[in-house]
Amino acid sequence: RKEVEQDPGPFNVPEGATVAFNCTYSNSASQSFFWYRQDCRKEPKLLMSVYSSGNEDGRFTAQLNRASQYISLLIRDSKLSDSATYLCVVFSGGSYIPTFGRGTSLIVHP
Amino acid sequence: GAVVSQHPSRVICKSGTSVKIECRSLDFQATTMFWYRQFPKQSLMLMATSNEGSKATYEQGVEKDKFLINHASLTLSTLTVTSAHPEDSSFYICSASPTGQGNTIYFGEGSWLTVV
Repeated sequence: RKEVEQDPGPFNVPEGATVAFNCTYSNSASQSFFWYRQDCRKEPKLLMSVYSSGNEDGRFTAQLNRASQYISLLIRDSKLSDSATYLCVVFSGGSYIPTFGRGTSLIVHP
Repeated sequence: GAVVSQHPSRVICKSGTSVKIECRSLDFQATTMFWYRQFPKQSLMLMATSNEGSKATYEQGVEKDKFLINHASLTLSTLTVTSAHPEDSSFYICSASPTGQGNTIYFGEGSWLTVV
């Protein structure tokens, strides 16, 4: 089993839709979690951190479920510009080396 | 915000030659930098951890003699692909974290390498 797993998609949704992705991790000692966005042929960029209490940034909501060992990203009112690959990143306890999921591809169409 | 600059962004080289890619942290010091490779529609694959002033730590399956890493200062790491082959063609990305902020990752813009 891979350390960090994501459904590669693609998730194909119309503008205005709400879409959610999950990312599961296998190491129960994992402590820090992030969502990154990667556009085609570009480097990943930080989208948001994921806190135990959950956090929201505009149309984006990230949540952590430690019991089931997954993090989620919810995007409301999808825009065309949200089309990208969304990577989850996990740091395990005591490690400064991040583990990346393979990414989930989102396509928002008119 | 913090910026990591990677150069060149695109390079085409002939088989058998070597190519050097630079990764610079522009406004912070980075004791550790990471080098990744990404093939189309695949995830980032960590190649090696670059440590300032010491040898890099390579991931299993990555040839250290083929992918030379030098981290001579707190703001610069270089990756040299030696004796390049067409199968080395890929997107190479570096990342850096400010010293003491290991969970804060800044990526370089990436370098597209094409070996012909």
